[in-house]
Amino acid sequence: DGGITQSPKYLFRKEGQNVTLSCEQNLNHDAMYWYRQDPGQGLRLIYYSQIVNDFQKGDIAEGYSVSREKKESFPLTVTSAQKNPTAFYLCASRVTLRYTEAFFGQGTRLTVV
Amino acid sequence: QKEVEQDPGPLSVPEGAIVSLNCTYSNSAFQYFMWYRQYSRKGPELLMYTYSSGNKEDGRFTAQVDKSSKYISLFIRDSQPSDSATYLCAMQDPSYNTDKLIFGTGTRLQVFP
Repeated sequence: DGGITQSPKYLFRKEGQNVTLSCEQNLNHDAMYWYRQDPGQGLRLIYYSQIVNDFQKGDIAEGYSVSREKKESFPLTVTSAQKNPTAFYLCASRVTLRYTEAFFGQGTRLTVV
Repeated sequence: QKEVEQDPGPLSVPEGAIVSLNCTYSNSAFQYFMWYRQYSRKGPELLMYTYSSGNKEDGRFTAQVDKSSKYISLFIRDSQPSDSATYLCAMQDPSYNTDKLIFGTGTRLQVFP
């Protein structure tokens, strides 16, 4: 079955550590996205990538980094520079063409301990 | 003013009721509209998508777009307890040079037996 897989489902990080969230898709989609979801704030765009080896900052990129070495994979690193990293992180993908719907993974809940 | 406004709820209705969920937006260039359903601690699931003005029906769900009023709606007929979730609207501005989607903050729906 085609879809988007995020791992792990739950992640705990000590202050000062970097952690990497995985996102893999087998939908053959060109565009991939990372969103952060906090209660009452909806989805906020962190980074997005329209093609391999290219990515752009979203609205809240500070303290995060990404890579896009393969079409299927778009990992997100939450660095120690992110001051408030506890949140629900969602990865999405869509066909590059405009006017296409986005499909989401099941999310990763990151908690700083 | 946010580009997309959505009442956070919660909206509480009895089983079998007709539910109306709404979003307003400020950018008249928006043309592509989507509705997602998100269960607690899960990723959003695409329910409906529509392009420009008009209605689209799929089973118990009807999506309606009124571009003159910059208002979109999702109607759920014969609501069920399993419809209890947060509903997110999303839309795209075709003038953006990106594939960026703008999301509402979500409306929490509770359907009680």
